[in-house]
Amino acid sequence: DGGITQSPKYLFRKEGQNVTLSCEQNLNHDAMYWYRQDPGQGLRLIYYSQIVNDFQKGDIAEGYSVSREKKESFPLTVTSAQKNPTAFYLCASSTRRGASTYNEQFFGPGTRLTVL
Amino acid sequence: DAKTTQPPSMDCAEGRAANLPCNHSTISGNEYVYWYRQIHSQGPQYIIHGLKNNETNEMASLIITEDRKSSTLILPHATLRDTAVYYCIVWNFNKFYFGSGTKLNVKP
Repeated sequence: DGGITQSPKYLFRKEGQNVTLSCEQNLNHDAMYWYRQDPGQGLRLIYYSQIVNDFQKGDIAEGYSVSREKKESFPLTVTSAQKNPTAFYLCASSTRRGASTYNEQFFGPGTRLTVL
Repeated sequence: DAKTTQPPSMDCAEGRAANLPCNHSTISGNEYVYWYRQIHSQGPQYIIHGLKNNETNEMASLIITEDRKSSTLILPHATLRDTAVYYCIVWNFNKFYFGSGTKLNVKP
């Protein structure tokens, strides 16, 4: 089955600890994205990557870091500098590169992070 | 960058058409309108997108006004499984901008 996997589904961490969220896709998509969702709110873009070894900050990148060493993988690290890390984190991928006018994003099931 | 405005919630009777409005009055000429929906605690799912013309697929229809300042997503025969949050998004070839969406409640 092709798709996007995120692990774990639920994650608990103590305040002050860094934590890395996994995102893997086998759709052969070039672009990958990380979003954060707070209760009752829409999605906000944290980071995105359109090609291996390259990524850009989204609207709320402070306190987060990413890497894109492989096409299939786009892990997100929530650092201790993120002031309010408890949230639902969603990873997505799409085929789009360059000036393509089509950009359907496929989303993973999400990771719910709780910082105690 | 264009942003969207949607009503926070709507009700619809099962079997009836659900018409979800979206205002995107600052949209630029080359920006697309996308619709996604999110069933509780899952990742969003693509529904449909368009630029100027009305679009239809197996899930829904998208009606975009001539001035492109607003659009309507139409689910022709809503079922209970269509209960979800529906997001109207403007895509500027760079980022998606998700608003708070419309919570559609389909009732028996």
